[in-house]
Amino acid sequence: EDQVTQSPEALRLQEGESSSLNCSYTVSGLRGLFWYRQDPGKGPEFLFTLYSAGEEKEKERLKATLTKKESFLHITAPKPEDSATYLCAAPFGNEKLTFGTGTRLTIIP
Amino acid sequence: DVKVTQSSRYLVKRTGEKVFLECVQDMDHENMFWYRQDPGLGLRLIYFSYDVKMKEKGDIPEGYSVSREKKERFSLILESASTNQTSMYLCASSPADRGLTYEQYFGPGTRLTVT
Repeated sequence: EDQVTQSPEALRLQEGESSSLNCSYTVSGLRGLFWYRQDPGKGPEFLFTLYSAGEEKEKERLKATLTKKESFLHITAPKPEDSATYLCAAPFGNEKLTFGTGTRLTIIP
Repeated sequence: DVKVTQSSRYLVKRTGEKVFLECVQDMDHENMFWYRQDPGLGLRLIYFSYDVKMKEKGDIPEGYSVSREKKERFSLILESASTNQTSMYLCASSPADRGLTYEQYFGPGTRLTVT
């Protein structure tokens, strides 16, 4: 069955403490892996798209990487404003995205 | 900047009422989507549309219908609202598939409460 699974469910880090979030997927013929950030009470905000294993994308303190079975969102020296829920998604079928349930990240000052 | 707007941020309706949620995008995107988001369940696709007057069922279409009369506007209709439809509703749009699936851009969401 096609699935997107994120871990951990929640993560608390001290400011400046680097870590990684995981997104594993089971889909053949991946046509993109998407990362989003969602703040409480708001819609998800697009961060990155990765299309092939080995690809990396960076934005400020965030770097997304992709292998054949999973993607990582690395957060380097995070700040309190990086606190949010991070969602990953992959397409199953034409145009439809299946989302993971997210990792709720809290950065403590 | 891609802009997706939704008609209301917060809505309170009574059981049995007909509810309309409106979504407008200004980027000339072909595809539009309606999701609901519930704690522990993540985002679930209700309906999507890849062209004017076209619609496809998502994973949880029961109790909902949609309308797309113009390219920029996609409406979600709850024919007879029920308490289990209390949720955050999110609209999204994306450009058409050209061999790849493109990122979706989301609106701010409508928090619907059915009492």
